[in-house]
Amino acid sequence: NAGVTQTPKFRVLKTGQSMTLLCAQDMNHEYMYWYRQDPGMGLRLIHYSVGEGTTAKGEVPDGYNVSRLKKQNFLLGLESAAPSQTSVYFCASSYPGTANQPQHFGDGTRLSIL
Amino acid sequence: AQSVTQLGSHVSVSEGALVLLRCNYSSSVPPYLFWYVQYPNQGLQLLLKYTSAATLVKGINGFEAEFKKSETSFHLTKPSAHMSDAAEYFCAVSDRRSGYSTLTFGKGTMLLVSP
Repeated sequence: NAGVTQTPKFRVLKTGQSMTLLCAQDMNHEYMYWYRQDPGMGLRLIHYSVGEGTTAKGEVPDGYNVSRLKKQNFLLGLESAAPSQTSVYFCASSYPGTANQPQHFGDGTRLSIL
Repeated sequence: AQSVTQLGSHVSVSEGALVLLRCNYSSSVPPYLFWYVQYPNQGLQLLLKYTSAATLVKGINGFEAEFKKSETSFHLTKPSAHMSDAAEYFCAVSDRRSGYSTLTFGKGTMLLVSP
């Protein structure tokens, strides 16, 4: 079982460059999420999606865009990377229904912006 | 708005000692509560969750947590620490009034286990 797969695992960008992080899940989950993890900050929600074609802003959405064109994929884009976006990015997915559904996480993408 | 406070960014114990990781939440309505564990260079794994069926919740790897409404707490315990328990632990809450689980995480507690 692959679960939640994130691509790439590591990336170094220069300030102003753009890139897209890909998240794919094979569990037929309806909901998907993007978080960033910074030392001493825990995980903070960037954007999430409750179904194909839908997206919503989380706690820290500025500087990021997302798309959910297919149920199994959730893309996170950085249009013009900034050093403040250096972080570890995690994708997660969960079943729909109630708020007690646990989230399943990928192994993360480590992104450095120089 | 909900929030989670984890007391202590680092907790050190000896192998075989009791593990106690503290989590307090702030919410107008008792939320759903979760504990996740993160091993180095990996994603988060669910340890256990509280959904109001029972106040004492048992999870994987011998961990358990007790929901105490009067103390707004959900502390994680394990009777005897193993070296393999060394990891970072996150407490998280979800608003039960919502139809989907947008989690709010604490800042995490790093558990260090010495031989």
